[in-house]
Formats: sequence, structure tokens, C-alpha cells
Amino acid sequence: GENVEQHPSTLSVQEGDSAVIKCTYSDSASNYFPWYKQELGKGPQLIIDIRSNVGEKKDQRIAVTLNKTAKHFSLHITETQPEDSAVYFCAASIGGSNYQLIWGAGTKLIIKP
Amino acid sequence: GAGVSQSPSNKVTEKGKDVELRCDPISGHTALYWYRQSLGQGLEFLIYFQGNSAPDKSGLPSDRFSAERTGGSVSTLTIQRTQQEDSAVYLCASRISGFEQFFGPGTRLTVL
Repeated sequence: GENVEQHPSTLSVQEGDSAVIKCTYSDSASNYFPWYKQELGKGPQLIIDIRSNVGEKKDQRIAVTLNKTAKHFSLHITETQPEDSAVYFCAASIGGSNYQLIWGAGTKLIIKP
Repeated sequence: GAGVSQSPSNKVTEKGKDVELRCDPISGHTALYWYRQSLGQGLEFLIYFQGNSAPDKSGLPSDRFSAERTGGSVSTLTIQRTQQEDSAVYLCASRISGFEQFFGPGTRLTVL
């Protein structure tokens, strides 16, 4: 079946440095790739997403890149701050579905002061 | 405005008991999801409701799990004869259009 692999499971970076989280997906028909941030005790919250007709998207310190040929996409956070500490999840749509997502296992990002 | 709310926030039960978890979606959101999140794992899809359409139950792990959505709003997830492996955080999310899902804070279920 379809799956999404996410790496690393834990990432520790110095405040101010950049962080990169990578995901690969198996369903070549996937066309929507969101990233969610989950803070302790809260539900996940969408932070950025990308469609398959776009290679890169940026929103202030956050960017997502997509390589459809290789079936992988990445989240880039620059100038990391303490409030970036959280668990980040990637996901991919199942085929062309607009409602079903397959989720990665999550990456715990730790920002060291 | 108010977000998605879930109750209870924590539930401790004994093996074999039934539990009901409640989700109040954002007003006007026609789509509603239930997910299960085990420690260190991603989100496992359980069930999806969209308006008056038949729900997508393809993610329910066994017939001990069921969910209903009354009046197109509040949803209840019921787990019968709970087992220790049911211990997890159960997340509810709602959506109105497009792709973004809005999540509640979850219910942490512990089965002793």
C-alpha cells in the first residue's frame, strides 16, 4: 500500500541554524503535500503545503521543495527559533484524493539555545 | 472563532470497558476525520465523514470501533471492549473546503 517515510525522527539544531526534514512517498499519483506542526498537548496545525505543479514554495522562514521524479519533498526552516521546537509531520494525498492523506511518522525538532 | 474541541481530554479505563470520545467540529465544517496517534507514530486514519454521504470507514482497525456524526455536526467515536493496544491519542479534525484540516487537541486514552 501507499506509504510516506520521514527522516530524521529527531533533529537537534542550534538556535539560528537551519533545519531540514525529508519525506519520500510511494504513490506516483499523489499531488498534494502538506506539512503540519504539532506542539506539546495540541493537535497538528498546517504550516505550509505544496501542489504537484510547483517545485518550491516559501513562507517567511519556512520553505518546502518537491521533486516529483524522485518522489520526495522536504521542509526547510531557516534562522530557527525556540518556538520552532515541535513535532513536524509530512503527508501526501492518496492519488488525486482531496480528502485522504498518508502521514509520515513525524520528526521531533529540538532547538538548542 | 472557536476551534475544534474534543472531550474528555484524558480518559483512563479498564480493559474490556466501552468508551465514547466526543468531537465538536468548527461550525459549518462539513468534513470530519478521526485519527489515532500512537506514541512516536504518525497519524493513523480511522474514519471520514463528508456531509450526508456514507462515511469512509476504511481505517477502522476492528469491529470494536465505530463512529457516528449526528446532524452533520458533533461526532462520537466509540470503542467497545477496550484493549491495551487501544491506548493512544485520538485526534479529530474538520475541514470545510480545500485541503486544510483543523485539528482538535485530542483525547488521550489509557487502557489499564
